[in-house]
This record gives sequence, structure tokens and C-alpha cells, in this order.
Amino acid sequence: DAMVIQNPRYQVTQFGKPVTLSCSQTLNHNVMYWYQQKSSQAPKLLFHYYDKDFNNEADTPDNFQSRRPNTSFCFLDIRSPGLGDAAMYLCATSARLAGGNEQFFGPGTRLTVL
Amino acid sequence: AQSVTQPDIHITVSEGASLELRCNYSYGATPYLFWYVQSPGQGLQLLLKYFSGDTLVQGIKGFEAEFKRSQSSFNLRKPSVHWSDAAEYFCAVGAPGYGNKLVFGAGTILRVKS
Repeated sequence: DAMVIQNPRYQVTQFGKPVTLSCSQTLNHNVMYWYQQKSSQAPKLLFHYYDKDFNNEADTPDNFQSRRPNTSFCFLDIRSPGLGDAAMYLCATSARLAGGNEQFFGPGTRLTVL
Repeated sequence: AQSVTQPDIHITVSEGASLELRCNYSYGATPYLFWYVQSPGQGLQLLLKYFSGDTLVQGIKGFEAEFKRSQSSFNLRKPSVHWSDAAEYFCAVGAPGYGNKLVFGAGTILRVKS
């Protein structure tokens, strides 16, 4: 089945220690998104890639970076995690960037910062 | 910019009872409207979506939603709830001309009692 895969499902890191979260997709979609979802809150878009074009949300902290080496993979790098970065990180894809395209979500990576 | 309000943080219904989850949006024109469901520790799954046309849309798992322009609402309904429907439900809004970005409501947690 075509899907969005996130690894690892659970990640523990130390305060200030860089961490990378991984997302891969077998849908061959052009667009990949990263969302942050804190406990009991709505998912919040951090950034997205349309092919290789990176689009950062205005309020996404500089501490968060992303890489997309090819169509299938996208990475979220947190350069110096703080306690406030503990959250579920959701990766999603869509075939096109036009409004109304369904976004397909992965299961998420739950990040704990000690 | 668009926004979404889900007035109910928690709802508890008995198994077999009907369900209605409320969603109100703010946007100057007709937005794209979505309902997603998230089971604990999982990503989001699309239940249904509305773009235009018939204001009553059918989704998966027996869910339906009705778009009411006059009330800026897109409420989710199910005639008979099953214990497996216990999850968190998110309403989301996308805007034409805004790419494929989604703005999510804060979510409603559904509990089903037997």
C-alpha cells in the first residue's frame, strides 16, 4: 500500500542536542509538509516542500530546518532542541500544491526532550 | 487569514447514539473544508472534504458533514456511534489561492461509553 512512513516513531533527545526526524513516502507526491502538534493542540504547519522548493512559515523558529534530498524523503532537523520543542511531529504529502488537494499523513514521531 | 473554531473540547456519547461535532470557520469566501480523525499515537486520517456543490458530503466510516454558508459551519455527524469511533477529530480549512495550506481547529476528543 502506498503510504507515508515516519521514523522513528518515538525519539528522545537531550536539551540542545541536534536531532533529525525522517519521513518517506511511496505516493510519489510533489509536496511534503511538516507539522508540529503539541499536546492537546492542533497541528501547526512548520514548512513544506514543493518538489525542491522550500517554503517556510513566517513563524517557524530558525531552530527548525528541513532537507528533501529526493522526491521520496524529507527530513526535519532541530538544531538545538529546547523543552518547548517536545511534541508530535507529523509529516504529510499531497500530489499538488493547489488548494483542496488531500493531504496524507504519516503516523508521526513523538519527540521527548530531556 | 482563515481560522477554525471547534467549540467542544470533549464530547461523550453512548454507543449507538447519534453524534454531532461542531466546526465554525472564518473566511471571506467559500473555503475548502475537511474533517480528519486521529487515534491515539497515530497520524491524521481524512474522513471527508467539501469543495463545492452538494452541501451534504458523505465520508468514510459512516460519517457525513453539512456545509452551511449562512452559519459558517461544517458540522460532522454520525447517526450511530461505535466504540471504535473514540478518537480526536479535527476540522480544517484551506483557502483558494493559499496553496494547499491547512489551518486546523483545536480538535474535539470523542469518548464513547458502553
